Amino acid sequence: SQQGEEDPQALSIQEGENATMNCSYKTSINNLQWYRQNSGRGLVHLILIRSNEREKHSGRLRVTLDTSKKSSSLLITASRAADTASYFCATAGGTSYGKLTFGQGTILTVHP
Amino acid sequence: NAGVTQTPKFQVLKTGQSMTLQCAQDMNHEYMSWYRQDPGMGLRLIHYSVGAGITDQGEVPNGYNVSRSTTEDFPLRLLSAAPSQTSVYFCASSPLGANVLTFGAGSRLTVL
Repeated sequence: SQQGEEDPQALSIQEGENATMNCSYKTSINNLQWYRQNSGRGLVHLILIRSNEREKHSGRLRVTLDTSKKSSSLLITASRAADTASYFCATAGGTSYGKLTFGQGTILTVHP
Repeated sequence: NAGVTQTPKFQVLKTGQSMTLQCAQDMNHEYMSWYRQDPGMGLRLIHYSVGAGITDQGEVPNGYNVSRSTTEDFPLRLLSAAPSQTSVYFCASSPLGANVLTFGAGSRLTVL
C-alpha cells in the first residue's frame, strides 16, 4: 500500500501564482523528499527534509513537515510555465539508502 | 557522466514472452532499485539491491526477477509477461548513507 497520499490530485494555476501541494503519510519516517517528473521523463529530486526539521527552503521551494500530523507541504512561489510537471512526495524509513515509498503525485499545470 | 541508463525505452511483448529491462549506472552507487509507475498508483517498489550479490523484494515483486552481479548493472527480468505488467518501469540508484535517488528515464512496456 502507498505510504504517502497527496492532494490535490491536480492543480491548475496562472503564472506568478503560488502552488501548494500536500502529502500525508502513515508510519514514522527518517526524512521526506519531494520529486518532480516532467511528462515522459524520470523523476528528479527537489528537496529533502529530515524528521527533526520543520521547514526547509530551496530557491522558490518551501517544504514544511509536521510529524505529529504525519503531513508535509510543498510550496512553489511565483510559479512559471516551466514548473508544469507532476510532483511526488517520498518517505524514507529506517534505512540509510534510497528505499523510498512514493505518494500518488500531484499534477501541476501552470498557465502562461 | 551518464547517470542511470535504461534500455530499451519502449517495448511491446505478447503474453507469455520473456524479456529483460537493462539498467546501468556509472556513479558507483551501492543501492539500486526498480519501480513501476501506473496511472493513479504512483511508484511502487519491485526489487532492490544494496550491493553486488544482494537483492531483496519490494512491494510488488511477483512476476519479476533480478540479480546483481556487478555494482553497475541491475537487470529486471520478466519471465512470462502478463498484461498486468503493462507499465512504465524506472530504475533508480543511490549511495549507501544517502536516501536521495537518481532515476533513469524509464522504460515503457506494453504486454498484449
